[in-house]
Amino acid sequence: DAGVIQSPRHEVTEMGQEVTLRCKPISGHNSLFWYRQTMMRGLELLIYFNNNVPIDDSGMPEDRFSAKMPNASFSTLKIQPSEPRDSAVYFCASRRGDTQYFGPGTRLTVL
Amino acid sequence: GIQVEQSPPDLILQEGANSTLRCNFSDSVNNLQWFHQNPWGQLINLFYIPSGTKQNGRLSATTVATERYSLLYISSSQTTDSGVYFCAVRTPGSNYKLTFGKGTLLTVNP
Repeated sequence: DAGVIQSPRHEVTEMGQEVTLRCKPISGHNSLFWYRQTMMRGLELLIYFNNNVPIDDSGMPEDRFSAKMPNASFSTLKIQPSEPRDSAVYFCASRRGDTQYFGPGTRLTVL
Repeated sequence: GIQVEQSPPDLILQEGANSTLRCNFSDSVNNLQWFHQNPWGQLINLFYIPSGTKQNGRLSATTVATERYSLLYISSSQTTDSGVYFCAVRTPGSNYKLTFGKGTLLTVNP
């Protein structure tokens, strides 16, 4: 099992640019989560999908953030336009049953 | 919402020492997980342990749900144990949302 796959692993962009983060969950997992981790706020849940449907997006900080899950094996988190305060590590996690499994994360730096 | 407190916030050990990390939570939970975030940032599942005791090699965990705490034991620590240990819990009111503690930063020196 390859685990949760995220790309890119690192992203450096300039303020105002569009950023797209990608995630491939573990095969057979029907729940997918996007988290953001910063020193100040720790790990925050951004959005939760179940069976490809967004169930809870209350953690999405602003309209600049959007997430999609077009099929069971792929999800994207998009930030448009990006701002320096979006700099963080973004994790994708998938779940079957009670245990969440995290991807390696994408370290985003917005200059 | 539920509060999750981890202690100690920081811990420095010499290789070979044992340690106990604690997670207190303010409400009933039906899910509790321990994670290790290694120095490269990867979050690794250690235990799913809403109650009872589990062991995996040098690591073991105990959750006493009625008293709202969980303990993670690390024996014969190694430098590769360094990193941040997170406790995450879920309340019966939610079937998906994990609330994370702030973590314990463990440094194991050779």
